[in-house]
Amino acid sequence: DAGITQSPRHKVTETGTPVTLRCHQTENHRYMYWYRQDPGHGLRLIHYSYGVKDTDKGEVSDGYSVSRSKTEDFLLTLESATSSQTSVYFCAIKALGQNTGELFFGEGSRLTVL
Amino acid sequence: GQQLNQSPQSMFIQEGEDVSMNCTSSSIFNTWLWYKQDPGEGPVLLIALYKAGELTSNGRLTAQFGITRKDSFLNISASIPSDVGIYFCAGRGYSGGGADGLTFGKGTHLIIQP
Repeated sequence: DAGITQSPRHKVTETGTPVTLRCHQTENHRYMYWYRQDPGHGLRLIHYSYGVKDTDKGEVSDGYSVSRSKTEDFLLTLESATSSQTSVYFCAIKALGQNTGELFFGEGSRLTVL
Repeated sequence: GQQLNQSPQSMFIQEGEDVSMNCTSSSIFNTWLWYKQDPGEGPVLLIALYKAGELTSNGRLTAQFGITRKDSFLNISASIPSDVGIYFCAGRGYSGGGADGLTFGKGTHLIIQP
């Protein structure tokens, strides 16, 4: 257990509405990540953070923004949700000192955009 | 970007059979990882490989880092019902940095018939 909690676990929203997903960790990990998982695509990196207020883009960052105002929380925001953003979103942390820094994932947040 | 080909896409086997799956890449990787994902959960790290030719076991699971650095194999011996799930490979190239440089395969869906 890497101490990761994602919320909400399930959300249904309408096209054009803003959505924020939260990733909370309790073990003071420096690196946090947001991935999306879609059939036929596997896991793709959206954004990541390497410290408070330090974030950068991943492979599929268009339409998403992130914020990290404190170590324990990494927020993913869809400013205006589209149907193509229907997906399962996973937060991950890099656990340094274990397996030389591999990723450990949360349980996922399933988002449906109608 | 880097591409990972994971095969087979799905497997239907009888309980007690051995399972083999593999990932190949067009690029050289310095790390290979194998994850398992149960329905409704996040991926869980099974095995990490860091050296070409390395063979590592975790219970009934054995994984190998290919000598060419472009492939990896996962074997499961004497499958049991709880082995059902989706298995993902992931490779890390030499790009380094906070993005972690991980590329994921699209997964092998393992289904076990009693």
